[in-house]
Amino acid sequence: DQQVKQNSPSLSVQEGRISILNCDYTNSMFDYFLWYKKYPAEGPTFLISISSIKDKNEDGRFTVFLNKSAKHLSLHIVPSQPGDSAVYFCAARDITSGTYKYIFGTGTRLKVLA
Amino acid sequence: GAVVSQHPSWVICKSGTSVKIECRSLDFQATTMFWYRQFPKQSLMLMATSNEGSKATYEQGVEKDKFLINHASLTLSTLTVTSAHPEDSSFYICSANDFRGTGYEQYFGPGTRLTVT
Repeated sequence: DQQVKQNSPSLSVQEGRISILNCDYTNSMFDYFLWYKKYPAEGPTFLISISSIKDKNEDGRFTVFLNKSAKHLSLHIVPSQPGDSAVYFCAARDITSGTYKYIFGTGTRLKVLA
Repeated sequence: GAVVSQHPSWVICKSGTSVKIECRSLDFQATTMFWYRQFPKQSLMLMATSNEGSKATYEQGVEKDKFLINHASLTLSTLTVTSAHPEDSSFYICSANDFRGTGYEQYFGPGTRLTVT
């Protein structure tokens, strides 16, 4: 049962344009959402996060939008740069078990074309 | 951001032997660390939550006797893959929360590539 889903396994965008990566979740008890960037054979690097009580968070070229009613979040990167090419994971914090853990989506491979 | 290290970065071992992987938080203390496993072209799968001073909490389907976790101090957690087999070959990644900030962000180590021959 995949609680966090990234339905697009890959995305190609021209340099300078906007990249939009999407993520859907099923558990309404998730209280925090995060986006990570990952290169092969490396650990994920934290990019940006958003609390479930907010609908938008912006940090430089990265903006995350949260639509709680649709259980959907998205990461916008603008302008996209070739160095942004990587696999992007969304993650959600699950506190329903009394402690907490993070559930990851399957990732979207972004390729920014020069 | 916070720094998490892992050692070794890659290891090759023979089937039947045990391998220990270390995860350290270098500039902060972590009461909780997480161990993940990633298969090629797949997502990060949470294996267990490592708690300082107490037993680890394992996810369903993860054999606790095979993947031994010890959180000996506030900056060190170890994962020992016992009696390793080729199917244990994978990329193992640890993470920890830095509560000096919001406390929600997890910071990951660089990962350990395990190959069992």
